[in-house]
Amino acid sequence: EIVLTQSPATLSLSPGERATLSCRASHSVGTYLAWYQQKPGQAPRLLIYDASVRSTGIPARFSGSGSGTDFTLTISSLEPEDFAVYYCQQRNNWPGLTFGGGTKVEIK
Amino acid sequence: EVELVASGGGLVQPGGSLRLSCAASGFSFSSYAMMWVRQAPGKGLEWVSGISGVGDGTYYADSVKGRFTVSRDNSQNTLYLQLNSLSAEDTAVYYCAKFGMLRGVHYYYYMDVWGEGTMVSVSS
Repeated sequence: EIVLTQSPATLSLSPGERATLSCRASHSVGTYLAWYQQKPGQAPRLLIYDASVRSTGIPARFSGSGSGTDFTLTISSLEPEDFAVYYCQQRNNWPGLTFGGGTKVEIK
Repeated sequence: EVELVASGGGLVQPGGSLRLSCAASGFSFSSYAMMWVRQAPGKGLEWVSGISGVGDGTYYADSVKGRFTVSRDNSQNTLYLQLNSLSAEDTAVYYCAKFGMLRGVHYYYYMDVWGEGTMVSVSS
């Protein structure tokens, strides 16, 4: 099983600041990695797939990078609606999907 | 509009059973694999099960294998998850999700549409 480790667990930032979230895989997943955003009481929303491709309707301030075992989600300038929990997820060893433990981006 | 609506959750005693449903609309249901993902209270996301578009391939996390059964009725655009031998560890919100996106001429296999989830509580 591929384990995804996200860091930090919590990121305390102010609106307008840059957020950098990390996801590290225990084995290479190529670029078969996605990022999801989840707000309280809501279902997750797909932000990024194939490590760096923005999903339909996702603002350009969200960007993804990386390959192999190290991945980054960057939010260039935080908007109030971006404070949420972010999960990475790999599909390299399908059947079987795994998620990281999540990073909470909170208002400082 | 593409939509998934999950239902069937509730309170059940340990050892009991429950059947979840997920009604799909706005897309060609039989063309896409579907997934179930759960989230225990205050915890992260956990993939539970998946099924191919025509239903001939089913997949399970080790934590539910032998207890849960995924199925679909493409004539009714509905996905199901039968939950048996439930324990407190199965308490969670259960989400259904569409697995796959067509972009141009290529399919990308990620969960791009999610239902709002249905809560399953296992307690005596």
